[in-house]
Amino acid sequence: NAGVTQTPKFQVLKTGQSMTLQCAQDMNHEYMSWYRQDPGMGLRLIHYSVGAGITDQGEVPNGYNVSRSTTEDFPLRLLSAAPSQTSVYFCASSYSRRGTGNTIYFGEGSWLTVV
Amino acid sequence: KNQVEQSPQSLIILEGKNCTLQCNYTVSPFSNLRWYKQDTGRGPVSLTIMTFSENTKSNGRYTATLDADTKQSSLHITASQLSDSASYICVVSPLSNDYKLSFGAGTTVTVRA
Repeated sequence: NAGVTQTPKFQVLKTGQSMTLQCAQDMNHEYMSWYRQDPGMGLRLIHYSVGAGITDQGEVPNGYNVSRSTTEDFPLRLLSAAPSQTSVYFCASSYSRRGTGNTIYFGEGSWLTVV
Repeated sequence: KNQVEQSPQSLIILEGKNCTLQCNYTVSPFSNLRWYKQDTGRGPVSLTIMTFSENTKSNGRYTATLDADTKQSSLHITASQLSDSASYICVVSPLSNDYKLSFGAGTTVTVRA
């Protein structure tokens, strides 16, 4: 049971390049999400999904795309990287019983620098 | 304006001592309040989850309290250890959407020998 696995751990991009952050979970969780963490700020929700084929926007979705073709995977795509997207990205997952306070499990993070 | 405010921003304590971290929130109505521990360079790990009807929840040396009337929560660390050095994050889920969590910026705790 690996939990939530994110790749890559570190990445440097040039402005305008595109890339995909990978996220996979092996706990059969319905809910998956992507957050970014910036210095001095709380984690902010980018996109989330409550099941295969279902995605929705979070607080800061601009410049990012997601898809959920399987229960296990939830990749985050940066369409045209900008320096403002330099951040630490976390993928998270949980069972999808709303309102019951399910434990949310986080990946180890992906450090992205856009130059 | 952030709906979850944590204080202090950082603190230093000696090994073996106790400390209390504060969380004030404006999310209302809310579904549950969580505390997470985040080691440097790692992802957050869940410590406690409390629903709006719970007043306290413990996890080993960590005890969280909740006062829904004043919209305040605290996390008490007892007999601190060097491994407690981390950032502690308060997270509140709105009742309208349990998935759209509001995160505090965290309190960085440094435990010194």
